[in-house]
Amino acid sequence: EAGVTQFPSHSVIEKGQTVTLRCDPISGHDNLYWYRRVMGKEIKFLLHFVKESKQDESGMPNNRFLAERTGGTYSTLKVQPAELEDSGVYFCASSQASGPYEQYFGPGTRLTVT
Amino acid sequence: GNSVTQMEGPVTLSEEAFLTINCTYTATGYPSLFWYVQYPGEGLQLLLKATKADDKGSNKGFEATYRKETTSFHLEKGSVQVSDSAVYFCALGSYSGNTPLVFGKGTRLSVIA
Repeated sequence: EAGVTQFPSHSVIEKGQTVTLRCDPISGHDNLYWYRRVMGKEIKFLLHFVKESKQDESGMPNNRFLAERTGGTYSTLKVQPAELEDSGVYFCASSQASGPYEQYFGPGTRLTVT
Repeated sequence: GNSVTQMEGPVTLSEEAFLTINCTYTATGYPSLFWYVQYPGEGLQLLLKATKADDKGSNKGFEATYRKETTSFHLEKGSVQVSDSAVYFCALGSYSGNTPLVFGKGTRLSVIA
């Protein structure tokens, strides 16, 4: 069974540009989470999808971040326009609809904004 | 709100040394506790978990006991190997529901031969 995949693995963009990160969860997992780790700090929650609906987006830093999950399958996280402080590693995780609710993580996308 | 505090790294040990990485938490209710590990170039993997007080999670020679009285979940291994070199994250969440995890800052472990 394929795990959670993320694309790209690494992205380097200039301040003001746009970047779109993609996450493909484990097939059949209704729950999808985005997290971010900035500069060796703790991994912080960004938002949670249940199928195609945003269950909780309380961790989204500002309106430059837009997450979608069309059709309840893969998800995208767009940053527009990117700022220097957006640099970090963006992790995606998925879990099944019923217990146990173990979250399976992808390898992350390292975003560098210069 | 909920929070996790874990010891700062990096930690450097010789092979076969004893490892302890401290983790304490603040939470309302009865959270579940987790240790995740990130090996170089890979994603986060669940290492072990405990869902209630006094539970001991174990995997790959690592152990951690859920101590409600001290709000702790320290990670231990009796004899580390070079292959254990990784970043270890303590996390808090709900094992009975789909809620976001709250992570500590991570501790980088380097084991030298």
